[in-house]
Amino acid sequence: AQKVTQAQTEISVVEKEDVTLDCVYETRDTTYYLFWYKQPPSGELVFLIRRNSFDEQNEISGRYSWNFQKSTSSFNFTITASQVVDSAVYFCALSEANTDKLIFGTGTRLQVFP
Amino acid sequence: EADIYQTPRYLVIGTGKKITLECSQTMGHDKMYWYQQDPGMELHLIHYSYGVNSTEKGDLSSESTVSRIRTEHFPLTLESARPSHTSQYLCASRKAGTASSYEQYFGPGTRLTVT
Repeated sequence: AQKVTQAQTEISVVEKEDVTLDCVYETRDTTYYLFWYKQPPSGELVFLIRRNSFDEQNEISGRYSWNFQKSTSSFNFTITASQVVDSAVYFCALSEANTDKLIFGTGTRLQVFP
Repeated sequence: EADIYQTPRYLVIGTGKKITLECSQTMGHDKMYWYQQDPGMELHLIHYSYGVNSTEKGDLSSESTVSRIRTEHFPLTLESARPSHTSQYLCASRKAGTASSYEQYFGPGTRLTVT
């Protein structure tokens, strides 16, 4: 069965701190996709990144970086030098190749204080 | 940037009323989804569609119904609203086919309050 666990319910940091959001997943499929979404206070979910199960290369995009490790079934998200605008709820999600459904974690609320 | 729209953004309505939440996308996506998000943040899939005239129930049982008469339009209807329907409703879509198109794009959501 598919499952996504985001153990951190809420994280508070001060601006310019680095912060890592954890995501652990479970799946029996060998082909699957992992995602991160950001939900700011306005409510919409903004797609951040998709990672295929056969591509373990880490990715960096500006202040954002993602660490995908199949050995530990983790897909962690790090924000470097956090800013107040990073305050949002962040969701990790999983989709198996033969289904159309996104399985979301319960989300991590990040608050960045000035 | 995704072109997916939801109206209304906010709705306060009395118990027993019939409501329709609108969702439209201009990306030509075949697959569309409705999620319900409770105050605890967790997202639950309540309906999805693979294309015109295709609708399926999601993982969370819902008293709402959906229709897909046009590719771009996926409205959700509640025949008789109840306070337990108070929630945020998010619509999403994605292109069918290649693996590179697996991400879903979300609309801004409708925050529904039933009094």
